[in-house]
Amino acid sequence: GESVGLHLPTLSVQEGDNSIINCAYSNSASDYFIWYKQESGKGPQFIIDIRSNMDKRQGQRVTVLLNKTVKHLSLQIAATQPGDSAVYFCAETDSNYQLIWGAGTKLIIKP
Amino acid sequence: DAMVIQNPRYQVTQFGKPVTLSCSQTLNHNVMYWYQQKSSQAPKLLFHYYDKDFNNEADTPDNFQSRRPNTSFCFLDIRSPGLGDAAMYLCATSSQTFGDTQYFGPGTRLTVL
Repeated sequence: GESVGLHLPTLSVQEGDNSIINCAYSNSASDYFIWYKQESGKGPQFIIDIRSNMDKRQGQRVTVLLNKTVKHLSLQIAATQPGDSAVYFCAETDSNYQLIWGAGTKLIIKP
Repeated sequence: DAMVIQNPRYQVTQFGKPVTLSCSQTLNHNVMYWYQQKSSQAPKLLFHYYDKDFNNEADTPDNFQSRRPNTSFCFLDIRSPGLGDAAMYLCATSSQTFGDTQYFGPGTRLTVL
């Protein structure tokens, strides 16, 4: 069967609070960053992206912040809802335009 | 309105018995990708097609093959599945190269008995 998976970092947040999920990247030449949400048993779903010429981008209830100085990316979810429970992956594209995935963070919403 | 469709959603096969997973897209995207995802891990790229050009990742086992008969369809063939091939298989598409956003299908969960 399937091999035992790695233990995902987990973030537990109270329903209604804001969530902040962090991601560090290693390639200073990366110029495109994406956040995906993956619910259990489903494929990754695009949430929001940001290019390296920006440091902030907002969507509906989500904000992505990019700090190129420290190579850090974060996803902020406002007023977290039960439907936000999922694993969140950050991804970047390298010089070959290949998508490089972060490890993923499991977001748990407490009622 | 499904844009990337994968069939079947669940597939059970026996050790060594060939299996084919299918993916179709309504986005008319040039690029189609196949990923393998194991529990609690990020997706791992197996290969991709840019139009009809096939691009294999260096560490993708020979056991995995792919076909893209037209723009809309792409197939993943596993010639002799082993227990270690049990995983979620994800198909994705993007308009152009990797630099464009990839849109994923719901995945096919493969079980190998």
